[in-house]
Amino acid sequence: AQSVAQPEDQVNVAEGNPLTVKCTYSVSGNPYLFWYVQYPNRGLQFLLKYITGDNLVKGSYGFEAEFNKSQTSFHLKKPSALVSDSALYFCAVRESAGTYKYIFGTGTRLKVLA
Amino acid sequence: NAGVTQTPKFQVLKTGQSMTLQCAQDMNHEYMSWYRQDPGMGLRLIHYSVGAGITDQGEVPNGYNVSRSTTEDFPLRLLSAAPSQTSVYFCASSHPGDEKLFFGSGTQLSVL
Repeated sequence: AQSVAQPEDQVNVAEGNPLTVKCTYSVSGNPYLFWYVQYPNRGLQFLLKYITGDNLVKGSYGFEAEFNKSQTSFHLKKPSALVSDSALYFCAVRESAGTYKYIFGTGTRLKVLA
Repeated sequence: NAGVTQTPKFQVLKTGQSMTLQCAQDMNHEYMSWYRQDPGMGLRLIHYSVGAGITDQGEVPNGYNVSRSTTEDFPLRLLSAAPSQTSVYFCASSHPGDEKLFFGSGTQLSVL
């Protein structure tokens, strides 16, 4: 069965510093990987996805993520954090050859401090 | 653009009552799904559908029913509500191949 782990409940970073939000996954085949962001009292919004190709994926609002097959990881990164990046971030996975089950992690709350 | 519309936004039920959470999308998406969001648990998949007349179970299907009679609508039914079903419910849709989920704004459900 596919699964996603986000080991950090919360990440604090100073404004202007680089940020990383961690995600590891488990699937039996090739993964499709995703990051979503949730602002307070809102639904989730798509940030980026890895389907195939270049391991470094660029997405919305200056975010990027690196797919590492050997470490089964898909960490979210941004070179310079903004206070407005403060939100709840979710990693998700779908097995490429499997059913259309998108499985989400437990979420990581990012706090960017001014 | 409406996108994914969920109704109601808030609902309070008594244990044993039934209700239907509505979800509609106007993007002609074949894939639709329901999630529940609980603190510390993230989003958990309840049921999903890859097209009209086709539904399947997710991670936590017990206590919930779904049907998909049209491409646009994917209602979630609670037949006999329980306090454990207190949660925020999100509907999401996508076009297969696009692999990008569009989420509704959620329904906050309390079961007393």
